[in-house]
Amino acid sequence: GAVVSQHPSRVICKSGTSVKIECRSLDFQATTMFWYRQFPKQSLMLMATSNEGSKATYEQGVEKDKFLINHASLTLSTLTVTSAHPEDSSFYICSARALDGELFFGEGSRLTVL
Amino acid sequence: GENVEQHPSTLSVQEGDSAVIKCTYSDSASNYFPWYKQELGKGPQLIIDIRSNVGEKKDQRIAVTLNKTAKHFSLHITETQPEDSAVYFCAAGHPFNDYKLSFGAGTTVTVRA
Repeated sequence: GAVVSQHPSRVICKSGTSVKIECRSLDFQATTMFWYRQFPKQSLMLMATSNEGSKATYEQGVEKDKFLINHASLTLSTLTVTSAHPEDSSFYICSARALDGELFFGEGSRLTVL
Repeated sequence: GENVEQHPSTLSVQEGDSAVIKCTYSDSASNYFPWYKQELGKGPQLIIDIRSNVGEKKDQRIAVTLNKTAKHFSLHITETQPEDSAVYFCAAGHPFNDYKLSFGAGTTVTVRA
């Protein structure tokens, strides 16, 4: 099946720094990618929809200046958590949508902000 | 928007028995219903999906049924094995909202050896 690579899988940073997470579709082109946040023992919460070549669409309550999303190519979307704080610590997951609507997920990135 | 409800939240079964997870959805426009398996510390993995033009789909020990009239769909795992232990999520989506999936709350399945 299709593969979506997410990097890094784990990152620890100091409060106030910015962290970039990459999401790549390895064997298909994804015009749309999605970014989710997942708290322990909870479901996935959609943060934003990333469209290639255009601005991301953010869900209600998600700060677009805090979570910068760039979808520079058909195979790469990045999420940058700016000025990270401990409350931003979470499991961030991306997914890429194939042309038939099927959604493939990355392995997730565990962010810990000290 | 779409609202997906999933039951039960936890499920414990004896190895070899069947496991059934049920989901309901609210948006009649939804036509794509995937199921994901998530192991601890990993991203969700698609295990099976069904579209609204079929009522049932099977893949080895896993099957999914869909009742569009009642707006519910179910995951059936037969002959469960310890490696089936994980969190399972159902979801619903449709092309009109760019297949932006709405997820159920998840079911933690434990298969007892």
